[in-house]
Amino acid sequence: ETGVTQSPTHLIKTRGQQVTLRCSSQSGHNTVSWYQQALGQGPQFIFQYYREEENGRGNFPPRFSGLQFPNYSSELNVNALELDDSALYLCASSLAPRGIASTDTQYFGPGTRLTVL
Amino acid sequence: AQSVTQLDSHVSVSEGTPVLLRCNYSSSYSPSLFWYVQHPNKGLQLLLKYTSAATLVKGINGFEAEFKKSETSFHLTKPSAHMSDAAEYFCVVSGGGTSYGKLTFGQGTILTVHP
Repeated sequence: ETGVTQSPTHLIKTRGQQVTLRCSSQSGHNTVSWYQQALGQGPQFIFQYYREEENGRGNFPPRFSGLQFPNYSSELNVNALELDDSALYLCASSLAPRGIASTDTQYFGPGTRLTVL
Repeated sequence: AQSVTQLDSHVSVSEGTPVLLRCNYSSSYSPSLFWYVQHPNKGLQLLLKYTSAATLVKGINGFEAEFKKSETSFHLTKPSAHMSDAAEYFCVVSGGGTSYGKLTFGQGTILTVHP
């Protein structure tokens, strides 16, 4: 059984650019959530995807968007990057039983460190 | 709405002494509560989880936490600290309603273990 993987590990971008971060869910999981962890802070919920549809969103602007694919892997896209977007981006996968998206135990990947200059 | 408050930003203990990391929560629904640990430059690892089956929850590496509804607390303890326990710990709540599908994290407690 493979765990949650994320790519790339590190990324450096400049203000105004666009970025795509990728996540592969743990085997058998059908739900993926994305979190932003700024330096010295706890992670903050960005959004969750269940069966390729967004299922809940935190307090982030529309320039943060995502996709979930049929194999349950996922992407996080951020447009018009700002300096404050510099953070560790964490992906977490979970299994929603009985066809209902859930908050059951989420397993985290190692994260992608994004630096915006 | 749901929220988590970790009462100490830093805790320092000596190896072999007890560990106490304090957490208070707020939730409009019966919450699920978690403790996660994050070692430097690593992802988050689940320590333990409470989902109303038992108020005393045992986790990995000798950690345990007690759910106290009357005090809205979920403190993390370990009888004897080990050097490898040095890390940042997060108390996390998930709930229903508009918070469904969302984990809310505390600000974290950095645990330092001295030889």
